[in-house]
Amino acid sequence: DAGITQSPRHKVTETGTPVTLRCHQTENHRYMYWYRQDPGHGLRLIHYSYGVKDTDKGEVSDGYSVSRSKTEDFLLTLESATSSQTSVYFCAISQGFDQPQHFGDGTRLSIL
Amino acid sequence: KNEVEQSPQNLTAQEGEFITINCSYSVGISALHWLQQHPGGGIVSLFMLSSGKKKHGRLIATINIQEKHSSLHITASHPRDSAVYICAVRFSITSNFGNEKLTFGTGTRLTIIP
Repeated sequence: DAGITQSPRHKVTETGTPVTLRCHQTENHRYMYWYRQDPGHGLRLIHYSYGVKDTDKGEVSDGYSVSRSKTEDFLLTLESATSSQTSVYFCAISQGFDQPQHFGDGTRLSIL
Repeated sequence: KNEVEQSPQNLTAQEGEFITINCSYSVGISALHWLQQHPGGGIVSLFMLSSGKKKHGRLIATINIQEKHSSLHITASHPRDSAVYICAVRFSITSNFGNEKLTFGTGTRLTIIP
C-alpha cells in the first residue's frame, strides 16, 4: 500500500473555529489532492498540488486553503469552519496527473 | 448535471453471480479509472484504462470510446466483493473540464449475499 497518512482521523469542532487537516506521504509523489465525499455526490476536488509551493483550486475550493512546503506534506485548512464543511475528507497522491491515484484512509470531520 | 453517470446505484446479488456495473460520460476523455471503496471507507484504485479491456483476477474492465461507456465486470462474485465501486474520468485536453483532474461518479453500492 502507498504510504499515505491522514491526521486526524476523526475531529469534532464548533462553527467558526479554524481546522487543519494533514496529509503525509512517504512515496515522493509529485501530485497531492484533497477531496471531500458527501452523500449523493461523487468525490469532489477541493485543491491539489503539483509540486512544492505549487497548488491549484478544484471545483469546491471556497472556504478552504492549502499549503505544501515540503514534498511529503499537504495541509488543508478551514479558516472558519461552517456546518456545510462537515464531510469525509480524503487525501490522494499520484506520480503524475495521468497516473492512478492512491488514497489515504480519510478524515471524518464534524462541524457543530 | 453530472458528467459521469453510473448505473445501477445499488445492486444486490447472490454469491457466484456475474456482476456488471456501468459508467457513461458526456465528452471525450483521456483515461477512465475504476476504484473500490470498502465498507470501512478506504479507497483502492482497481484499473486505469483508455481503450480496450483490462483484467485482474476476477475483475474485468472494458471501455468503448466511441460510445463513451465503460463496464466493470466481476466473475464468480463473493461476499468480500461487497463495496462501493466508483468510476472516474480524466477529460481530454480539448474539453472544457481540464485534463489534470478526475471527475467522479457517485458510485454503485454492491452487496453480495452468501
